[in-house]
Amino acid sequence: AQSVTQPDIHITVSEGASLELRCNYSYGATPYLFWYVQSPGQGLQLLLKYFSGDTLVQGIKGFEAEFKRSQSSFNLRKPSVHWSDAAEYFCAVGARGNNDMRFGAGTRLTVKP
Amino acid sequence: GAGVSQSPSNKVTEKGKDVELRCDPISGHTALYWYRQSLGQGLEFLIYFQGNSAPDKSGLPSDRFSAERTGGSVSTLTIQRTQQEDSAVYLCASSSPQGWETQYFGPGTRLLVL
Repeated sequence: AQSVTQPDIHITVSEGASLELRCNYSYGATPYLFWYVQSPGQGLQLLLKYFSGDTLVQGIKGFEAEFKRSQSSFNLRKPSVHWSDAAEYFCAVGARGNNDMRFGAGTRLTVKP
Repeated sequence: GAGVSQSPSNKVTEKGKDVELRCDPISGHTALYWYRQSLGQGLEFLIYFQGNSAPDKSGLPSDRFSAERTGGSVSTLTIQRTQQEDSAVYLCASSSPQGWETQYFGPGTRLLVL
């Protein structure tokens, strides 16, 4: 089955600074890739997804992610972080041909004022 | 209801007891997932049901864990002889055949094993 690695357990950035959260996947073919966010006390919400085509995808809340096949990566970025972005972020990979998805362990984002 | 529901919302049990956690997916959703989220940990995949296919049980941590899905709808996750390390939030998610890429998560069941 496919798998996902999020190397950073916890990241702290200052409000207004740029953000990049790393995600590496393992899958034998072109995967479906996703980023979800879990705000404190909330459920998981889909931020963005990549299926095919343009490797730079835009999501909600000003987030974007870039699929790099050569690096098996799908890093999440935001140019300027807001305090409300503090949350847990999960990368997920889906396998083409079935509806199976696997999540990474998550990266907790803290935003300093 | 409109979303995924889980019951109970909280469960406190004694070590060695069995517990059952229930998940009601969104009507019409054929895929159903169980995850475990331990304190300070990420989302750990447990089991995946897809329609009438055999479930993917590869994430179940031990043979004390089992799950079933009756009639392709409601699912029950059973933990036998609970241990303190089983304490976690157990999340259920479902997705539709047409929009399978978007999983809708329930609020979770917070399990505490004393």
